[in-house]
Amino acid sequence: GNSVTQMEGPVTLSEEAFLTINCTYTATGYPSLFWYVQYPGEGLQLLLKATKADDKGSNKGFEATYRKETTSFHLEKGSVQVSDSAVYFCALSDRYSSASKIIFGSGTRLSIRP
Amino acid sequence: GAGVSQTPSNKVTEKGKYVELRCDPISGHTALYWYRQSLGQGPEFLIYFQGTGAADDSGLPNDRFFAVRPEGSVSTLKIQRTERGDSAVYLCASTRQDAPEKLFFGSGTQLSVL
Repeated sequence: GNSVTQMEGPVTLSEEAFLTINCTYTATGYPSLFWYVQYPGEGLQLLLKATKADDKGSNKGFEATYRKETTSFHLEKGSVQVSDSAVYFCALSDRYSSASKIIFGSGTRLSIRP
Repeated sequence: GAGVSQTPSNKVTEKGKYVELRCDPISGHTALYWYRQSLGQGPEFLIYFQGTGAADDSGLPNDRFFAVRPEGSVSTLKIQRTERGDSAVYLCASTRQDAPEKLFFGSGTQLSVL
């Protein structure tokens, strides 16, 4: 079945460092891919998405590119801030235009030092 | 406006008891999801509803788990003969029909089975 694997945390970086959180997926067909974020004391929320190969999702300075050839959707940010400290979840669904089962990875905790 | 509301926020029960967890989605949201999240893990899909019907219940772990959404709004997750392994945070999420990938999560119900 469909699944998502992401790098284990925790990841600790200094402010203004470059961030990469790796995510790879296994899926039949052509899934849509997402990154969700959970800030301390808050619920999960959608950060960005990509619905087809070579699409780039972006939001709040974060980017991720849908790479079909490597089945990856790595999350990147050029200069992290303390406020980016959170748990990040990679996810996929097997449809875009209508509701469907959305599968999450195990999450990567990110801590940014001032 | 009001977000997804889950009650109770905490539930402590004894092994073998029956529990009901309630989810009030955002008004007008058509799809409703239930997930289970254990400490340090990502949300594990249980079931989702499109309107009143369960569109995909493949994540329910066994027949002790059941969920309903009789009027296409509020949903109840029911767990019979609870076991210690059922202890987790149970998350509910809902989505709009025109943005099916954007899950709006509630704060969850922390279930503890003693």
